[in-house]
Amino acid sequence: SQTIHQWPATLVQPVGSPLSLECTVEGTSNPNLYWYRQAAGRGLQLLFYSVGIGQISSEVPQNLSASRPQDRQFILSSKKLLLSDSGFYLCAWSVPGDLRYNEQFFGPGTRLTVL
Amino acid sequence: AQSVSQHNHHVILSEAASLELGCNYSYGGTVNLFWYVQYPGQHLQLLLKYFSGDPLVKGIKGFEAEFIKSKFSFNLRKPSVQWSDTAEYFCAVHPTSGTYKYIFGTGTRLKVLA
Repeated sequence: SQTIHQWPATLVQPVGSPLSLECTVEGTSNPNLYWYRQAAGRGLQLLFYSVGIGQISSEVPQNLSASRPQDRQFILSSKKLLLSDSGFYLCAWSVPGDLRYNEQFFGPGTRLTVL
Repeated sequence: AQSVSQHNHHVILSEAASLELGCNYSYGGTVNLFWYVQYPGQHLQLLLKYFSGDPLVKGIKGFEAEFIKSKFSFNLRKPSVQWSDTAEYFCAVHPTSGTYKYIFGTGTRLKVLA
């Protein structure tokens, strides 16, 4: 069966420090991968998605970036964190192929606090 | 722009009360529709989904949702809620024509009083 992992589970970082959040999917090949930020009262905001190694689509211009160095690994990064980057970050995956029959599976999330 | 609206941000019900959470979307083409639930301290998980066919879909834990295409709506219902249904509920839409993006609503926090 497929599983999705995210780490760390929680992170407290000072303003201006770098960030690296990791997401790994097991049990599937070439998944579509997604990064979301969840903020209270604002739902899930899509940040990035990837349909293959090295392919990244950005949805929201900001000081975050994403990379996909391996088929089942998706990394969210920042060179310098801002206070506004605090939030709950969710990674998700979906099965590649026919977009008409597709659903997303979510990881446990990372709670990021920028002080 | 494509969007999903959940008009109820906070709902408080007593056990055994009936539940209906509204979800409306703006997109003119074919969509897949989802309801996700996030129980306190747990992963976001799929409650039910609609791809095609019968517009009344049944999900886990007694939940159901009805897709009304003419109203661009996909409301979630449960005839009798339980304390364990306390959670945050998200409606999501996935346009099927050539996009990998899913659009989520802002969520509804449901609290069920024992």
